Amino acid sequence: DSGVTQTPKHLITATGQRVTLRCSPRSGDLSVYWYQQSLDQGLQFLIQYYNGEERAKGNILERFSAQQFPDLHSELNLSSLELGDSALYFCASSVVPSVSSYNEQFFGPGTRLTVL
Amino acid sequence: DQQVKQNSPSLSVQEGRISILNCDYTNSMFDYFLWYKKYPAEGPTFLISISSIKDKNEDGRFTVFLNKSAKHLSLHIVPSQPGDSAVYFCAASEGAGGTSYGKLTFGQGTILTVHP
Repeated sequence: DSGVTQTPKHLITATGQRVTLRCSPRSGDLSVYWYQQSLDQGLQFLIQYYNGEERAKGNILERFSAQQFPDLHSELNLSSLELGDSALYFCASSVVPSVSSYNEQFFGPGTRLTVL
Repeated sequence: DQQVKQNSPSLSVQEGRISILNCDYTNSMFDYFLWYKKYPAEGPTFLISISSIKDKNEDGRFTVFLNKSAKHLSLHIVPSQPGDSAVYFCAASEGAGGTSYGKLTFGQGTILTVHP
């Protein structure tokens, strides 16, 4: 158990709909990252927050948005859903927004989104 | 544009033998590299990392080798155990420390199966 929780575990919805994925980071971690893993793809970085502020953005679609709240949990909002948005969405957290062996990113179990 | 590539989708090894997982990258700005391990229904977990100023890093049964001129890294597992069976992801970051904000670029993963 990484200490990062994600809800829901599974989500099935229809095209055109909007969904919200939730992530609670490990206790003490201020930085949250969102990644998308589509079929046959590695994990693609979407967006990163640190202490409530957006710090880095990847190839995140305009239909997607995220935020980090004062209690440090984060939500990823996906709207106008398309079939191609079906994927595993992972949240990760770390103490600070950097990459090093002493600032490991801990990943949650993921939310599997299926768009029908 | 796949900046991190794991060209072998799968690898099968006998217990006790060496497992060698390979990863190539194209972005010369990458200067920190990581390996993650993923079991089904779980998020990736950090395994081992290496900075671009080194060519080798060892942690128990796991050793990562970096060849900067070839833009190639490899993960060696010796001896391999059935519990090592998982998906292994190679990841890279530009600007270790504060400049990358923790953004990781992942390969597609290699499924390692270790047979008893």
